[in-house]
Amino acid sequence: GNSVTQMEGPVTLSEEAFLTINCTYTATGYPSLFWYVQYPGEGLQLLLKATKADDKGSNKGFEATYRKETTSFHLEKGSVQVSDSAVYFCALSSGGYQKVTFGTGTKLQVIP
Amino acid sequence: DVKVTQSSRYLVKRTGEKVFLECVQDMDHENMFWYRQDPGLGLRLIYFSYDVKMKEKGDIPEGYSVSREKKERFSLILESASTNQTSMYLCASSGILAKNIQYFGAGTRLSVL
Repeated sequence: GNSVTQMEGPVTLSEEAFLTINCTYTATGYPSLFWYVQYPGEGLQLLLKATKADDKGSNKGFEATYRKETTSFHLEKGSVQVSDSAVYFCALSSGGYQKVTFGTGTKLQVIP
Repeated sequence: DVKVTQSSRYLVKRTGEKVFLECVQDMDHENMFWYRQDPGLGLRLIYFSYDVKMKEKGDIPEGYSVSREKKERFSLILESASTNQTSMYLCASSGILAKNIQYFGAGTRLSVL
C-alpha cells in the first residue's frame, strides 16, 4: 500500500535559517505529491504540489522537487520567518483516486 | 474560497454518550472525509464519502459511523463514546476536477471523560 515517511520533529530554527524537511514515499503507480501546512488552531491547507517526476512545486518561498529515483519530495525554504511556525505534512495520492495518504507531520518552530 | 465548516471547535462528552460531529462545505464538492489527528500518528482516515448516501470505510472505522444525506453535509457519529476517542477530528472535502486536493475545516477537539 501507499505510505509516506517524514522526519520527526520538532525542528527549531532561528529566523532566516535554511529549512529542509525530508519526505520519502512508497506508492503504486505514479503518485501526485503534496505538502500541506497546519498553522496553530487551524485545519490543514495545501502549500504546494507536484504531479510528475522532476516537477517542482513552489509557494510562499517553499519548494519541493518530485524525485522518482529516490522516491522523495523534500520541502525547502531558503530563509524561514517566525510566521512559518506550523506543522508540515507530506502527502501523496495515486491512481486517480480521491484518497490521500498523509505523513505524520513535522512541527517547525522558528525563533526570532 | 472553499469553506469547510465544522460545527464545534471544542466538545466535552461523557463515556457512553452518542456524539455527532457535523461538517458542511460550500463548494459543491463530491468527496468528503473524516480524519482523526493524534500526536505522532498524523492523520488517519476514518470514513469518506464520494456521493450523497455513499460511504466507504477508511483505515480506522471501528467505533464510528457516518451520514451523508445532503451533498454539502457529512456527519461523523460516535455511537457510544469512549476515552480512546479523545482526539482532534478534521473534516475535508474535494471536488471532481482536482479530486486529490483536499480542503480542511479547522477541526473539532473532542474530549471524552
